[in-house]
Amino acid sequence: EVQLVETGGGLVQPGRSLKLSCVASGFTFNNYWMSWTRQAPGKGLEWVASITNSGGSTYYPDSVKGRFTISRDNAQNTLYLQMNSLRSEDTATYYCTREDDYWGQGVMVTVSS
Amino acid sequence: DIQMTQSPSFLSASVGDRVTINCKASQNINRYLNWYQQKLGEAPKLLIYNANSLQTGIPSRFSGSGSGTDFTLTISSLQPEDVATYFCLQHNSWPYTFGAGTKLELK
Repeated sequence: EVQLVETGGGLVQPGRSLKLSCVASGFTFNNYWMSWTRQAPGKGLEWVASITNSGGSTYYPDSVKGRFTISRDNAQNTLYLQMNSLRSEDTATYYCTREDDYWGQGVMVTVSS
Repeated sequence: DIQMTQSPSFLSASVGDRVTINCKASQNINRYLNWYQQKLGEAPKLLIYNANSLQTGIPSRFSGSGSGTDFTLTISSLQPEDVATYFCLQHNSWPYTFGAGTKLELK
């Protein structure tokens, strides 16, 4: 069974940093692209970062480019999202996704003073 | 970026009704369109991938059609457990983009 478990969320002040983790199980992690997607409270979904299976290439939308960094440790079956210079508009539930099929349960990030 | 226009935003239907939800892309996305179901407080679940392929384990009352710019999700006979919000996603080109969602309720 595919499982994706996110951790690392919480309340953080604007301008500060936070790092999310996602531990994957139930599939061969290094065979798949992985991504982070977010959903602001009561809003739609936004794809915020993707990384190829080797980690050699990454992709970001303009809204987070230069502030967020996606990475992975294939030996530990773990995906990361380093979020710097956080803004109030980054407040959302962040989901770890396996390519475009399986999603974790999500972790809440609240950016507020 | 490719814009995905999803309609309607809200839909009220009765058990047994045929329900259709539409997504229109701002440019050709071939068949790179997925449909997801999200129930309250849960993560999205993939229903249909690549426009018309049913994800494993999803009931056959769900189907997808379309290509290019116009796509449709159909629920052939609405069941109470189908109450949810439905999203489309284009994965033809980066950045991937979602429709705004359709909230489906029972009449």
